[in-house]
Amino acid sequence: ETGVTQTPRHLVMGMTNKKSLKCEQHLGHNAMYWYKQSAKKPLELMFVYSLEERVENNSVPSRFSPECPNSSHLFLHLHTLQPEDSALYLCASSQGPNEKLFFGSGTQLSVL
Amino acid sequence: ELKVEQNPLFLSMQEGKNYTIYCNYSTTSDRLYWYRQDPGKSLESLFVLLSNGAVKQEGRLMASLDTKARLSTLHITAAVHDLSATYFCAVDPRLSGGGADGLTFGKGTHLIIQP
Repeated sequence: ETGVTQTPRHLVMGMTNKKSLKCEQHLGHNAMYWYKQSAKKPLELMFVYSLEERVENNSVPSRFSPECPNSSHLFLHLHTLQPEDSALYLCASSQGPNEKLFFGSGTQLSVL
Repeated sequence: ELKVEQNPLFLSMQEGKNYTIYCNYSTTSDRLYWYRQDPGKSLESLFVLLSNGAVKQEGRLMASLDTKARLSTLHITAAVHDLSATYFCAVDPRLSGGGADGLTFGKGTHLIIQP
């Protein structure tokens, strides 16, 4: 148990569905992150929230929408995804920006 | 843009042997991390290297950082089967002057240690 909890663990969705991934950290950290892990590719940083403020990342498609209502919770809202979005989505937190990351177990997403 | 390259990407070795995994990065940084990922599991932090010449050791693993060469190494001594996993290095890109906050990861080294 790393102190970072992600739900659901597995998700299968159609291209027209809307779903949300949830992340909760119990470590009192000030920064939270979404990473995407695809086969044979490095972990890709998607979004960073530091003290609940989002750091812009213009390379992520708008079909992914993050939300950070407070320092302990982070969501990733998904809509009209594509099959190539199938991947493991990892949430992480750290005490401060770019400090040691504590990862959740991830959500394995399959888009049909 | 910061690039982080690990090699080898795949390594199969026998128990009892020594080996080194290399992590090169393209721009100035003085903060580097090593993580381990077991199959189907999340990433676990192994080492945090915060300055030039930093060396950290935990059991059979030892990590070092040379910021002038932009190189970190993860050395495995007398490998055992339990060390089989994928090892990632990650670099703090903030000194490079560009990009969003957050670490930049290498592709990972898939290590298999055979009895």
